[in-house]
Amino acid sequence: ETGVTQSPTHLIKTRGQQVTLRCSSQSGHNTVSWYQQALGQGPQFIFQYYREEENGRGNFPPRFSGLQFPNYSSELNVNALELDDSALYLCASSLEMNYGYTFGSGTRLTVV
Amino acid sequence: KQEVTQIPAALSVPEGENLVLNCSFTDSAIYNLQWFRQDPGKGLTSLLLIQSSQREQTSGRLNASLDKSSGRSTLYIAASQPGDSATYLCAVGNQAGTALIFGKGTTLSVSS
Repeated sequence: ETGVTQSPTHLIKTRGQQVTLRCSSQSGHNTVSWYQQALGQGPQFIFQYYREEENGRGNFPPRFSGLQFPNYSSELNVNALELDDSALYLCASSLEMNYGYTFGSGTRLTVV
Repeated sequence: KQEVTQIPAALSVPEGENLVLNCSFTDSAIYNLQWFRQDPGKGLTSLLLIQSSQREQTSGRLNASLDKSSGRSTLYIAASQPGDSATYLCAVGNQAGTALIFGKGTTLSVSS
């Protein structure tokens, strides 16, 4: 049983650019969530997808958007990058909603 | 708005000591509570999941309790080892089951 895999592991972007982060959920998991973790802070909920539909959203602006595909993999897109977007982005998957989450190793995004 | 607080922020103990990490939350209407471990720069590893109807869960040297009415959870680690050194995060599932709300974590250092 494979876990949650995220790509890339590290990324450096320039302010104003756009970025796409990818996540493959654990086999059989149909719920995917994305979190942003700034240094020294707990993760903050961005949004959740359940069977390809957005199912919940945290306090993030519309320039943070996502997709979930039929195989339940997911993408997080961030437009017009700002310096404060520099963080560890974590993807988590679950078998049905809230059965407990399995997290990936994250993508470290640095915006310069 | 749900807020999760973890005390202490940091803890240093000698090997072999039993220890307790504390988590409190402001809204008792939670779906469940999950404890995670995070190594520096890495993703989250799930340790224990307690459903809202449960009082405690155990896994090996770890025991987590939940008191919804008082808004508290504790993570008990028995016979600590240097390999237990990490940041421990407490997260409560919102009532809709769509998001985890995290505390800032307790950073544990176990010396040999």
